[in-house]
Amino acid sequence: GAVVSQHPSWVICKSGTSVKIECRSLDFQATTMFWYRQFPKQSLMLMATSNEGSKATYEQGVEKDKFLINHASLTLSTLTVTSAHPEDSSFYICSARQPVWGYNEQFFGPGTRLTVL
Amino acid sequence: KQEVTQIPAALSVPEGENLVLNCSFTDSAIYNLQWFRQDPGKGLTSLLLIQSSQREQTSGRLNASLDKSSGRSTLYIAASQPGDSATYLCAVRLNDYKLSFGAGTTVTVRA
Repeated sequence: GAVVSQHPSWVICKSGTSVKIECRSLDFQATTMFWYRQFPKQSLMLMATSNEGSKATYEQGVEKDKFLINHASLTLSTLTVTSAHPEDSSFYICSARQPVWGYNEQFFGPGTRLTVL
Repeated sequence: KQEVTQIPAALSVPEGENLVLNCSFTDSAIYNLQWFRQDPGKGLTSLLLIQSSQREQTSGRLNASLDKSSGRSTLYIAASQPGDSATYLCAVRLNDYKLSFGAGTTVTVRA
């Protein structure tokens, strides 16, 4: 149980285009999902917290107009990178929160590698 | 702001040797601490989760300790195998469900 999927697993796009990444909780309902980005040999940095049916909460320094997050259902959150540029190339990972034995644990997706040419 | 540091950044050991990975954090008011494994180009696999009230957790060859007052955790991997080669990340959670990650320790186990 507690499986999180991401689609696509990798994407290459031209500079100036928009890219949508999906994050799904396959066997549980997730009221909260998180989006992270990871640069090579660096740690995961939290970008935003996505709550079902409400606006996402962005971390300081993250442009909300550039990284659009939609959490339309209890099993799906999407991240759209608008007008992508080469500096947006990164590994994007989502996680979903699920109550486990009285506490909440995050389960992570496999990640999406974005390359902007 | 919570800062998480992992030392060493990289480690190479011969097969069979025990591994010791260190994680330190600046704010001791954590809810829990979690150790993850990440293979190249892949997502995260949770290894062990230690609640703030616990001192250690064990799973097979893995043992993680937590000293909240000193802001430290250690992951021990006994009798390392080439399949243990990966990057190991620690993350601490404050009460708002957000995780703060360290930069990881990249482990290479030589056959």
